[in-house]
Order: sequence, then C-alpha cells, then structure tokens
Amino acid sequence: DGGITQSPKYLFRKEGQNVTLSCEQNLNHDAMYWYRQDPGQGLRLIYYSQIVNDFQKGDIAEGYSVSREKKESFPLTVTSAQKNPTAFYLCASSGSGRGGTGELFFGEGSRLTVL
Amino acid sequence: SQQGEEDPQALSIQEGENATMNCSYKTSINNLQWYRQNSGRGLVHLILIRSNEREKHSGRLRVTLDTSKKSSSLLITASRAADTASYFCATALYTGGFKTIFGAGTRLFVKA
Repeated sequence: DGGITQSPKYLFRKEGQNVTLSCEQNLNHDAMYWYRQDPGQGLRLIYYSQIVNDFQKGDIAEGYSVSREKKESFPLTVTSAQKNPTAFYLCASSGSGRGGTGELFFGEGSRLTVL
Repeated sequence: SQQGEEDPQALSIQEGENATMNCSYKTSINNLQWYRQNSGRGLVHLILIRSNEREKHSGRLRVTLDTSKKSSSLLITASRAADTASYFCATALYTGGFKTIFGAGTRLFVKA
C-alpha cells in the first residue's frame, strides 16, 4: 500500500543525546515536511523540502536538522541543542507543482520523550 | 507561527446534532484545507476549498470560505460518536512549492 512510514513510534532519549526520526514515503511525492505537535496544540512546521538535496527552515527549525538525499526519505535529527524536545513529531508529503493543491498525507507520528 | 485561530477550542454535542467549527487566517492563500486527527494518530485530509470558491460539500461535510474576512467554517451534519476527534484548518500558499500552515484545532466530543 502507498503511504508514509515513520519510525520509531515511541522513542526515549536522555538529555544531551541526538536522536534521528525516520520518514519514508512511496507516494512518489516531491515535497516532504516535518511538523511538531505539543499536547493540545496545533502543528508547527520544522523543516520542509520541495525537491531532493534541497530543504528550507520552517517556523521552529532551531535545534533540528534534516537531509534529503533520496526522494523517498526525509529523516529528522533532534539535536541536543533543542531545549524542549519532548513532543509528537509528524512527517507528511505532498505532490508539488503549480497544478497540485498542497494536500498533505501524514504518517502516524513519532512520540519522543526526553528523560 | 500559527496561521490563525480556531473557534471554539473545544465543542461537546449530542449524537445527531450539527457541529460548526470556525477558522481565521492572516495571509494570502491558494487554498484552505481541513484535517481530522484521532488521538495519538496522524492527520487525515477531509476537504479542500480553493481561494476562488465560496462553498464546498463532501458527504456530511460543508465548508465555506470568505477571503474578504480571511475566515472559513466547517460544518459536520448529523454527527456521530465516531466523529469525536480534533479538527484542524490549514492554509496553503504556493511560492515555488506549497507551504501549509495549521491552526490550533478544535476538539470535538460527540456523546452517544
């Protein structure tokens, strides 16, 4: 089935450690996104990528890093510089181009807890 | 930054009643979308309305858009307990690629 796969679903990290969240899609979408969601809140954009080997900062990029070496993959690293990393992280993709709509397809999320 | 405000933050209704959620936004848009999120899950796209449209229907969903007031509303008719979820509006703007920004959401509780 086509879709977006995020892993791991749950992750625990000690303070000071970097952690990488995986996001893979087989929808042949050009654009991929990472959002952060805090309890009872909406989604905030961390990073997005419209094409392979290119990405842009969203509204809350500090303390995060990404790469886009393959069309299918857009991993997010939460670094030790992120002061409050405990959150629910959502990856999404969409078909890009002017004829598209920006409709997003989401993975099931990764819940990161810093101990 | 969040794109705008959603109102109400939470809504509790009886099964069979209609639910109306409102969304305001601040910038130009190409389209506005509504998503649903069950607790602890990813978001699912419900319906999209383009900036040159005023109203759209899909099953029990009705969306309106007023670009002069920068606002939208989502109406769910004849609600069911299974409609219990959080609902988010999101605005999309094309600037060489789409950037989609979400509101804070409305939590809907439908009592059986």
